[in-house]
Amino acid sequence: NAGVTQTPKFQVLKTGQSMTLQCAQDMNHEYMSWYRQDPGMGLRLIHYSVGAGITDQGEVPNGYNVSRSTTEDFPLRLLSAAPSQTSVYFCASSPSGRGFNEQFFGPGTRLTVL
Amino acid sequence: AQTVTQSQPEMSVQEAETVTLSCTYDTSESDYYLFWYKQPPSRQMILVIRQEAYKQQNATENRFSVNFQKAAKSFSLKISDSQLGDAAMYFCAYTGRIGANSKLTFGKGITLSVRP
Repeated sequence: NAGVTQTPKFQVLKTGQSMTLQCAQDMNHEYMSWYRQDPGMGLRLIHYSVGAGITDQGEVPNGYNVSRSTTEDFPLRLLSAAPSQTSVYFCASSPSGRGFNEQFFGPGTRLTVL
Repeated sequence: AQTVTQSQPEMSVQEAETVTLSCTYDTSESDYYLFWYKQPPSRQMILVIRQEAYKQQNATENRFSVNFQKAAKSFSLKISDSQLGDAAMYFCAYTGRIGANSKLTFGKGITLSVRP
Protein backbone atom coordinates (compact mmCIF):
# COMPACT_ATOMS: atom_id res chain seq x y z
CA ASN A 1 0.00 0.00 0.00
CA ALA A 2 1.20 3.49 -0.84
CA GLY A 3 -0.94 4.93 1.97
CA VAL A 4 -1.89 8.59 1.51
CA THR A 5 -0.17 10.31 -1.39
CA GLN A 6 -0.16 14.02 -2.19
CA THR A 7 0.97 15.81 -5.32
CA PRO A 8 2.76 18.04 -5.89
CA LYS A 9 5.23 18.22 -2.99
CA PHE A 10 6.04 21.87 -3.71
CA GLN A 11 4.25 24.53 -5.72
CA VAL A 12 4.69 28.24 -6.35
CA LEU A 13 1.74 30.23 -7.65
CA LYS A 14 1.08 33.83 -8.51
CA THR A 15 -1.81 35.66 -6.93
CA GLY A 16 -5.02 34.91 -8.79
CA GLN A 17 -3.89 31.61 -10.30
CA SER A 18 -5.88 28.47 -9.71
CA MET A 19 -4.65 25.00 -8.95
CA THR A 20 -5.67 21.65 -7.52
CA LEU A 21 -3.81 19.81 -4.80
CA GLN A 22 -4.21 16.10 -5.31
CA CYS A 23 -4.75 13.56 -2.55
CA ALA A 24 -5.24 9.83 -2.98
CA GLN A 25 -5.38 6.86 -0.64
CA ASP A 26 -5.37 3.16 -1.40
CA MET A 27 -6.59 1.89 1.96
CA ASN A 28 -10.31 2.07 1.12
CA HIS A 29 -10.84 4.63 3.88
CA GLU A 30 -14.22 6.32 4.08
CA TYR A 31 -13.05 9.48 5.80
CA MET A 32 -10.69 12.05 4.29
CA SER A 33 -9.67 15.51 5.44
CA TRP A 34 -7.59 18.50 4.41
CA TYR A 35 -5.58 20.56 6.90
CA ARG A 36 -3.30 23.55 6.53
CA GLN A 37 -0.29 24.17 8.74
CA ASP A 38 0.98 27.67 9.38
CA PRO A 39 3.82 28.71 11.71
CA GLY A 40 2.53 29.25 15.23
CA MET A 41 -0.97 28.07 14.27
CA GLY A 42 -0.78 24.30 14.34
CA LEU A 43 -2.92 22.40 11.82
CA ARG A 44 -6.37 23.67 10.98
CA LEU A 45 -9.13 21.73 9.27
CA ILE A 46 -10.18 23.09 5.87
CA HIS A 47 -12.69 20.54 4.55
CA TYR A 48 -13.52 16.95 5.24
CA SER A 49 -15.49 14.08 3.74
CA VAL A 50 -17.16 11.10 5.36
CA GLY A 51 -17.67 9.25 2.08
CA ALA A 52 -17.94 9.58 -1.67
CA GLY A 53 -20.29 12.40 -2.57
CA ILE A 54 -20.31 13.88 0.96
CA THR A 55 -18.19 16.86 1.99
CA ASP A 56 -18.39 19.46 4.72
CA GLN A 57 -16.54 22.56 5.86
CA GLY A 58 -13.99 22.68 8.57
CA GLU A 59 -12.55 25.61 10.51
CA VAL A 60 -10.99 27.55 7.59
CA PRO A 61 -12.88 26.70 4.36
CA ASN A 62 -12.88 30.10 2.63
CA GLY A 63 -11.02 30.14 -0.68
CA TYR A 64 -11.04 26.36 -1.05
CA ASN A 65 -13.32 23.89 -2.78
CA VAL A 66 -13.43 20.12 -2.52
CA SER A 67 -15.29 17.24 -4.09
CA ARG A 68 -15.31 13.51 -3.45
CA SER A 69 -16.37 11.57 -6.52
CA THR A 70 -14.52 8.40 -5.53
CA THR A 71 -13.48 6.80 -2.27
CA GLU A 72 -9.81 7.06 -3.24
CA ASP A 73 -9.47 10.72 -4.23
CA PHE A 74 -10.10 13.99 -2.42
CA PRO A 75 -8.70 16.97 -4.38
CA LEU A 76 -8.47 20.46 -2.90
CA ARG A 77 -9.03 23.35 -5.31
CA LEU A 78 -7.81 26.91 -4.95
CA LEU A 79 -9.89 28.96 -7.38
CA SER A 80 -7.97 32.24 -7.06
CA ALA A 81 -4.83 31.90 -4.99
CA ALA A 82 -3.98 34.60 -2.43
CA PRO A 83 -0.76 35.16 -0.46
CA SER A 84 -2.72 34.24 2.70
CA GLN A 85 -2.97 30.71 1.30
CA THR A 86 0.79 30.22 1.50
CA SER A 87 1.01 27.20 3.77
CA VAL A 88 1.76 23.52 4.07
CA TYR A 89 -1.24 21.39 3.22
CA PHE A 90 -1.87 17.94 4.62
CA CYS A 91 -4.38 15.37 3.50
CA ALA A 92 -5.44 12.62 5.91
CA SER A 93 -7.65 9.55 5.74
CA SER A 94 -9.12 7.11 8.21
CA PRO A 95 -11.49 4.18 8.25
CA SER A 96 -15.05 4.61 9.39
CA GLY A 97 -16.50 2.65 12.23
CA ARG A 98 -17.36 3.11 15.84
CA GLY A 99 -14.97 4.87 18.10
CA PHE A 100 -11.69 6.30 17.00
CA ASN A 101 -9.68 5.13 14.04
CA GLU A 102 -6.28 6.64 13.46
CA GLN A 103 -5.96 9.29 10.79
CA PHE A 104 -3.14 8.60 8.34
CA PHE A 105 -1.46 11.72 7.02
CA GLY A 106 0.10 12.32 3.65
CA PRO A 107 3.58 13.89 3.31
CA GLY A 108 2.22 17.38 2.73
CA THR A 109 2.37 19.97 -0.05
CA ARG A 110 4.24 23.22 0.50
CA LEU A 111 2.45 26.00 -1.39
CA THR A 112 3.80 29.50 -1.86
CA VAL A 113 1.61 32.22 -3.35
CA LEU A 114 3.48 35.29 -4.56
CA ALA B 1 -16.15 25.14 19.84
CA GLN B 2 -13.29 23.10 21.16
CA THR B 3 -9.89 24.66 21.69
CA VAL B 4 -6.48 23.19 22.40
CA THR B 5 -3.77 25.30 24.00
CA GLN B 6 -0.07 24.65 24.06
CA SER B 7 1.45 27.63 25.82
CA GLN B 8 5.13 26.71 25.55
CA PRO B 9 6.46 27.30 22.02
CA GLU B 10 9.84 25.69 22.70
CA MET B 11 11.47 23.33 25.15
CA SER B 12 14.86 21.74 25.48
CA VAL B 13 15.97 18.57 27.24
CA GLN B 14 19.27 16.83 27.83
CA GLU B 15 19.65 13.43 26.22
CA ALA B 16 18.56 10.61 28.58
CA GLU B 17 16.59 13.04 30.76
CA THR B 18 12.83 13.36 31.13
CA VAL B 19 10.73 16.18 29.72
CA THR B 20 7.05 17.05 30.06
CA LEU B 21 5.10 18.90 27.39
CA SER B 22 1.94 20.68 28.52
CA CYS B 23 -1.46 20.89 26.88
CA THR B 24 -4.83 22.16 28.02
CA TYR B 25 -8.11 21.97 26.18
CA ASP B 26 -11.63 23.24 26.43
CA THR B 27 -14.75 21.32 25.48
CA SER B 28 -18.35 20.90 26.56
CA GLU B 29 -18.38 17.27 25.47
CA SER B 30 -18.01 14.47 27.98
CA ASP B 31 -16.67 11.84 25.61
CA TYR B 32 -13.71 12.57 23.39
CA TYR B 33 -10.19 11.58 22.43
CA LEU B 34 -6.88 13.34 22.96
CA PHE B 35 -3.64 12.79 21.11
CA TRP B 36 -0.04 13.76 20.85
CA TYR B 37 1.44 13.90 17.35
CA LYS B 38 5.11 14.18 16.49
CA GLN B 39 6.30 16.06 13.41
CA PRO B 40 10.01 15.59 12.66
CA PRO B 41 11.81 17.74 10.08
CA SER B 42 10.54 15.37 7.37
CA ARG B 43 7.10 16.93 7.99
CA GLN B 44 5.43 13.54 8.40
CA MET B 45 2.75 13.53 11.09
CA ILE B 46 3.23 10.59 13.47
CA LEU B 47 0.72 9.58 16.12
CA VAL B 48 2.63 9.15 19.39
CA ILE B 49 -0.07 8.36 21.89
CA ARG B 50 -3.81 8.67 22.41
CA GLN B 51 -6.12 8.88 25.38
CA GLU B 52 -9.83 8.12 25.53
CA ALA B 53 -11.60 10.46 27.89
CA TYR B 54 -13.75 7.80 29.50
CA LYS B 55 -10.69 5.81 30.50
CA GLN B 56 -9.22 6.94 33.79
CA GLN B 57 -5.95 5.10 33.30
CA ASN B 58 -3.24 7.20 31.70
CA ALA B 59 -2.02 5.92 28.33
CA THR B 60 1.55 4.68 27.95
CA GLU B 61 3.55 3.80 24.85
CA ASN B 62 7.10 2.74 25.63
CA ARG B 63 8.99 5.91 26.72
CA PHE B 64 5.93 8.10 26.19
CA SER B 65 3.21 8.52 28.78
CA VAL B 66 0.48 11.03 29.47
CA ASN B 67 -0.92 12.69 32.56
CA PHE B 68 -4.61 13.09 31.82
CA GLN B 69 -6.53 15.28 34.26
CA LYS B 70 -10.11 15.36 32.96
CA ALA B 71 -11.49 17.76 35.54
CA ALA B 72 -8.66 20.22 34.93
CA LYS B 73 -8.82 19.60 31.16
CA SER B 74 -5.10 18.99 31.11
CA PHE B 75 -3.22 16.49 28.96
CA SER B 76 0.56 16.52 29.29
CA LEU B 77 3.08 14.27 27.55
CA LYS B 78 6.07 12.88 29.40
CA ILE B 79 9.04 11.63 27.41
CA SER B 80 11.43 9.51 29.46
CA ASP B 81 15.03 8.73 28.57
CA SER B 82 14.99 11.37 25.82
CA GLN B 83 16.78 10.47 22.61
CA LEU B 84 18.17 12.63 19.83
CA GLY B 85 15.46 11.26 17.55
CA ASP B 86 12.81 12.75 19.81
CA ALA B 87 13.73 16.22 18.56
CA ALA B 88 10.66 17.41 16.65
CA MET B 89 7.57 19.53 16.85
CA TYR B 90 4.85 18.01 19.03
CA PHE B 91 1.17 18.76 18.65
CA CYS B 92 -1.60 18.10 21.11
CA ALA B 93 -4.92 17.34 19.39
CA TYR B 94 -8.54 16.72 20.26
CA THR B 95 -11.53 15.11 18.63
CA GLY B 96 -15.03 14.54 19.91
CA ARG B 97 -16.69 11.17 19.61
CA ILE B 98 -18.94 12.44 16.84
CA GLY B 99 -16.85 12.90 13.72
CA ALA B 100 -13.92 11.35 15.54
CA ASN B 101 -12.42 9.91 12.44
CA SER B 102 -12.45 13.02 10.32
CA LYS B 103 -11.95 16.12 12.42
CA LEU B 104 -9.00 16.94 14.63
CA THR B 105 -8.43 20.20 16.49
CA PHE B 106 -4.74 20.88 17.02
CA GLY B 107 -2.78 23.07 19.38
CA LYS B 108 -0.12 25.41 18.02
CA GLY B 109 2.65 22.95 18.71
CA ILE B 110 5.86 22.93 20.70
CA THR B 111 9.35 22.54 19.30
CA LEU B 112 11.41 20.11 21.35
CA SER B 113 15.17 20.10 21.04
CA VAL B 114 17.38 17.40 22.56
CA ARG B 115 20.89 18.32 23.69
CA PRO B 116 23.54 15.59 23.32
